[in-house]
Amino acid sequence: GAVVSQHPSWVICKSGTSVKIECRSLDFQATTMFWYRQFPKQSLMLMATSNEGSKATYEQGVEKDKFLINHASLTLSTLTVTSAHPEDSSFYICSAGTGFRDLNFGPGTRLTVT
Amino acid sequence: GQQVMQIPQYQHVQEGEDFTTYCNSSTTLSNIQWYKQRPGGHPVFLIQLVKSGEVKKQKRLTFQFGEAKKNSSLHITATQTTDVGTYFCAADNTNAGKSTFGDGTTLTVKP
Repeated sequence: GAVVSQHPSWVICKSGTSVKIECRSLDFQATTMFWYRQFPKQSLMLMATSNEGSKATYEQGVEKDKFLINHASLTLSTLTVTSAHPEDSSFYICSAGTGFRDLNFGPGTRLTVT
Repeated sequence: GQQVMQIPQYQHVQEGEDFTTYCNSSTTLSNIQWYKQRPGGHPVFLIQLVKSGEVKKQKRLTFQFGEAKKNSSLHITATQTTDVGTYFCAADNTNAGKSTFGDGTTLTVKP
């Protein structure tokens, strides 16, 4: 149980385009999902907390107009990287859980912006 | 914001040797979690510690939470090549599920 999926697993896009990443909880409902970014050989940095039915809460330094988060249902949160630039190339990971004590991470999405 | 220091950054051991990674926070924590990330993979939840002085074991892995709930350690006894990866601690001082990750300790095991 408590499986989290992400789609796509990897994506290459041109600079200036937008990319949407999906995070799904497959066998449970998640009122809250978390989006992280991980640069190579670095730790995970929390970007935002996605709340079902309400606006996401962004961490300091994360541009909410650039990283659009939508949590339309209890099983789906999406992260859209708008007007992507090469410096946005990273590993994006979401997490969700049935409670705050058993967060499960998705497999991640590797974004490369050329 | 909250800072979580994790040491060492890298650890190279011979198979069979023990390994320990430490996580320290400047603030009292509600709980701390440990994750393992294999090369090219995603973080996998190992355990969560909540109580002061708590010690939990998973086979060869021993997890401790300090009495002051400001530090934690993960100890692996008799490492195996399957233990390779990066071990992250993630600390929550709000009990709201919003954890701050340490920088991780990357373990390599020489057979």
